[in-house]
Amino acid sequence: GENVEQHPSTLSVQEGDSAVIKCTYSDSASNYFPWYKQELGKRPQLIIDIRSNVGEKKDQRIAVTLNKTAKHFSLHITETQPEDSAVYFCAASRISRLTIDISNFGNEKLTFGTGTRLTIIP
Amino acid sequence: SAVISQKPSRDICQRGTSLTIQCQVDSQVTMMFWYRQQPGQSLTLIATANQGSEATYESGFVIDKFPISRPNLTFSTLTVSNMSPEDSSIYLCSAVGTAREETQYFGPGTRLLVL
Repeated sequence: GENVEQHPSTLSVQEGDSAVIKCTYSDSASNYFPWYKQELGKRPQLIIDIRSNVGEKKDQRIAVTLNKTAKHFSLHITETQPEDSAVYFCAASRISRLTIDISNFGNEKLTFGTGTRLTIIP
Repeated sequence: SAVISQKPSRDICQRGTSLTIQCQVDSQVTMMFWYRQQPGQSLTLIATANQGSEATYESGFVIDKFPISRPNLTFSTLTVSNMSPEDSSIYLCSAVGTAREETQYFGPGTRLLVL
């Protein structure tokens, strides 16, 4: 099965600086890579995702890059703010609707990384 | 986006008893999942809840311990059976939307403490 590794486990950055979190995956068939943010006591919330046919995606201060050859993807947060403090999880999945692979239909389960606790220092 | 609710939000149970957690989605969804999250840990998939058929369990999880129902496209239940303190955790359901959407949304979770 898929295995997702995530680094670092904790990260502290000064407010205004950038934060980078990295993940690697093992299953070359994975084609969908979401990132979730989880604040204390809250549910995981999707913040950005990327599909395997794209190398980079950006949404305001958040960007994700994907290197399919190396099987790793990264989350970049620029101009960090105190409200960015949370635990961030990467994940990987095989989404059949992104391919014409009927054998994988319904196999959209996510395999999560171990999480990164990001602290923004004011 | 799908809005997901769970009941109960938290519970304290005695060992040996069972608890059923309900997950309700505000729209029809293709896939529903159940996860467990130990305090300070990542999310671990328990099973995929299949509508109209038996759930698909991940390695380490069995139907006798975690029976799951999914009677329709908007509702699912997870039962934690014969509980022990090791079952103390947060249980989250999630759902994937329509055929044109891959995003997996999560419920607020059920915080379970077994004494």
